[in-house]
Amino acid sequence: QVQLAESGGALVRPGGSLRLSCAASGFTFRDFYMSWIRQSPGKGLEWISYINSDGRAISYADSVKGRFTISRDNTKNSLYLQMNSLRAEDTAVYYCVRGRSYWGQGTLVTVSS
Amino acid sequence: DIVMTQIPLSLSVTPGQPASISCKSSQSLLHSDGRTYLYWYLQKPGQSPQLLMYEVSNRFSGVPNRFSGSGSGTDFTLKVSRVEAEDVGVYYCMQSVQLPKTFGQGTKVEIK
Repeated sequence: QVQLAESGGALVRPGGSLRLSCAASGFTFRDFYMSWIRQSPGKGLEWISYINSDGRAISYADSVKGRFTISRDNTKNSLYLQMNSLRAEDTAVYYCVRGRSYWGQGTLVTVSS
Repeated sequence: DIVMTQIPLSLSVTPGQPASISCKSSQSLLHSDGRTYLYWYLQKPGQSPQLLMYEVSNRFSGVPNRFSGSGSGTDFTLKVSRVEAEDVGVYYCMQSVQLPKTFGQGTKVEIK
């Protein structure tokens, strides 16, 4: 069955960096576009980035553009999110999502001094 | 960005009774390819969101047939014919006709 396992969430200070990973299994990873979606504590859902199946098409939400970088390694069935210049408002659970269908369990990023 | 507005924001339902959630978009979700990119998700307590309906009215794999979706253009509705205890959680509509994908605020459904 489809499994998406995020990792890398942590407590980080404002201005710091973090790299999230998502390990995919149970499907042919290279055939699907992937996204990162986040959910701030007690709040709604915010789409933040997309990457197509071969990694050549990428898009970001304005709130993270220039600070976050999405990438993938189809040989390792993995999706990544490099997060730089982190702010308090980036505090959220970050989900890895396959297409529009399957979501991972999420990893918590807390930005605080 | 397309704004998604859900009504109501909370709903208390007696088991076995129907429930309905409205989702309105600020722009048409009809793509030039003829498909309408409106999705419904349910986030059960302590879990990640799970897909219920795709492209307005198509139930995702494993979703009970008590769930149905309808609508077109900018007005959409999710209906549960007979609510069960396992249906509690927050329901979100989402559009993906254009980036950024955007979500409704969520409708919290609880059982009376």
